[in-house]
Amino acid sequence: GESVGLHLPTLSVQEGDNSIINCAYSNSASDYFIWYKQESGKGPQFIIDIRSNMDKRQGQRVTVLLNKTVKHLSLQIAATQPGDSAVYFCAENSGSGSEKLVFGKGTKLTVNP
Amino acid sequence: DAGVIQSPRHEVTEMGQEVTLRCKPISGHNSLFWYRQTMMRGLELLIYFNNNVPIDDSGMPEDRFSAKMPNASFSTLKIQPSEPRDSAVYFCASTSYWASYFGSGTRLTVV
Repeated sequence: GESVGLHLPTLSVQEGDNSIINCAYSNSASDYFIWYKQESGKGPQFIIDIRSNMDKRQGQRVTVLLNKTVKHLSLQIAATQPGDSAVYFCAENSGSGSEKLVFGKGTKLTVNP
Repeated sequence: DAGVIQSPRHEVTEMGQEVTLRCKPISGHNSLFWYRQTMMRGLELLIYFNNNVPIDDSGMPEDRFSAKMPNASFSTLKIQPSEPRDSAVYFCASTSYWASYFGSGTRLTVV
């Protein structure tokens, strides 16, 4: 059949609820991870990062959790607001000293008022 | 800091024409990346530079694409000749300690 583009996972939440966006990565050698937010018509915006020697890092209203055992990364957004509606990407650095990032396909978050 | 600055924001050109996209990275960042984003493929890395030297150009689709970084504050991505399948949003990002910061992108339409 005809391909219509990437099928993004979607998450729809009510304003004020907490959101959890998940990401699986494949490279066990990855040692640095970043979450980006991309609003329509804009470039990806850095939200928060975490190194592989940590399992949790908190920012303002956001928390990133890293589970290296199952190669899973999550972004938690507290008290989600309509302005949080965007596509969220996780990115991993493959280690070995390179600054090259590999991006996931993204999750579309919609916050309903 | 003004962040990563890209120009133009939008470009519409005819098939076969040369297109040049421009990027000014954040001052002090020593790595610069060019990405392409489409609905079909998502965000793809085309090429990246470290200290103005191309390190990895394995993502450059074909010889029609070329990129230069003549100095630490300027880079160009050129497509010659352009084709309709090159239509996409092209992002430039600069990096400090592995965290990449993106520009607003250039939306290229080749008709």
